[in-house]
Amino acid sequence: EAQLAESGGGVVQPGGSLRLSCVASGFSFGTHAMSWVRLVSGKGLEWVSEVSLSGGTTNYAVFVKGRFTISRDNSKNTLYLQMNSLRVEDTGIYYCTKETTPIGGNSLFDLWGHGTLVTVSS
Amino acid sequence: DIVMTQSPDSLAVSLGARATINCRSSQSLLHGSNNKNYLAWYQHRPGQPPKLLISWASTRESGVPGRFSGSGSGTDFTLTISSLQAEDVAVYYCQQYYTSSMYTFGQGTKLEIK
Repeated sequence: EAQLAESGGGVVQPGGSLRLSCVASGFSFGTHAMSWVRLVSGKGLEWVSEVSLSGGTTNYAVFVKGRFTISRDNSKNTLYLQMNSLRVEDTGIYYCTKETTPIGGNSLFDLWGHGTLVTVSS
Repeated sequence: DIVMTQSPDSLAVSLGARATINCRSSQSLLHGSNNKNYLAWYQHRPGQPPKLLISWASTRESGVPGRFSGSGSGTDFTLTISSLQAEDVAVYYCQQYYTSSMYTFGQGTKLEIK
């Protein structure tokens, strides 16, 4: 069974950093683009970032550009999200998602993890 | 960015009755090259990860019950649940994937049992 398992969330002060991880199993991780999508209270789902199957192409939502970095290690079936300069408005549940295309672009999110909670608060 | 607006924000429907959720995009999601609408619907049940229900505005994903259907084209879309079941209680989101790597979701519609 295909699964995604996130970890790394927690409570951090504004301006701080966190690194999220997502371990994939049950499917060929290295043949799909992957994304992080977050659920923000009062705003719903927001796409955060995308990485192509090789890791060579990355894309970011405007509100995280320059602060977050997405990466992947296909040898470990693991996706990462390095989050720096965190803001209160970054608080939410962060989901790792599998995309339906290899390079991303016009993709759907057809597999989701259970998410990891990030709380940015002083 | 393409703005996605859902209506209503919340909805209470009796068991066995029809539920209808609307989604409007700020620009057309119909791609001229393939005549497809780049619109998806997701179901987010309490305590569960979101689940892809419908792609290309009207194509049900494998395993999705037949009571779920999607319709619409261009800028106006609808998700219909023909006969509401208790397990359908969830928040439903539409999502556009027309704009390459600039995905946006609607604000969500909370569906409850009346």
